[in-house]
Amino acid sequence: KAGVTQTPRYLIKTRGQQVTLSCSPISGHRSVSWYQQTPGQGLQFLFEYFSETQRNKGNFPGRFSGRQFSNSRSEMNVSTLELGDSALYLCASSLTTGQPLKTQYFGPGTRLLVL
Amino acid sequence: AQSVTQLGSHVSVSEGALVLLRCNYSSSVPPYLFWYVQYPNQGLQLLLKYTTGATLVKGINGFEAEFKKSETSFHLTKPSAHMSDAAEYFCAVSDPSNTGKLIFGQGTTLQVKP
Repeated sequence: KAGVTQTPRYLIKTRGQQVTLSCSPISGHRSVSWYQQTPGQGLQFLFEYFSETQRNKGNFPGRFSGRQFSNSRSEMNVSTLELGDSALYLCASSLTTGQPLKTQYFGPGTRLLVL
Repeated sequence: AQSVTQLGSHVSVSEGALVLLRCNYSSSVPPYLFWYVQYPNQGLQLLLKYTTGATLVKGINGFEAEFKKSETSFHLTKPSAHMSDAAEYFCAVSDPSNTGKLIFGQGTTLQVKP
């Protein structure tokens, strides 16, 4: 079974631009979560989508948004990019939501550099 | 609120030596705990997870972790380090009030010397 895929793998943007990242979960998985990884803040939860609905949200500004499609693929968007948005963005998929025991399977990430 | 603290941002061991990576948690409810590994330029891979029941959890690649409620710890061990174990390791706790969310420690980079 193919793992979680994320595109693109690398991205360079300038301040003020917007960016869209894509995540395709493992086949059959319906939950997609997004995390931001930076050297200073570590791994931080952005949001989770399940059945095309945002189910959970972390403490990030409204510039960070996402959506999920009927095939469970998810996109996250960051508008008005800031230098501090430079990070590795990880997507994780799981079978379902609402279960703290669930295993989340991570993709390789998209590395975003904001200049 | 749940939180995780990993003691030691860098750990260096010789090949064949014991690996011990420390993780302490804070939780107001019985925790669900995880260890993930991240190799350079890759995502996170699950090593093992603790649910309830047996306190010694065996994972992949020869790793295991022991849940000690009295010490609020979930340390990761491996009897004999391999060069291929060099990576960054993350301890995480699942937030029961926000079930999409894993709360991660700051990570420990494991260096294995020949």
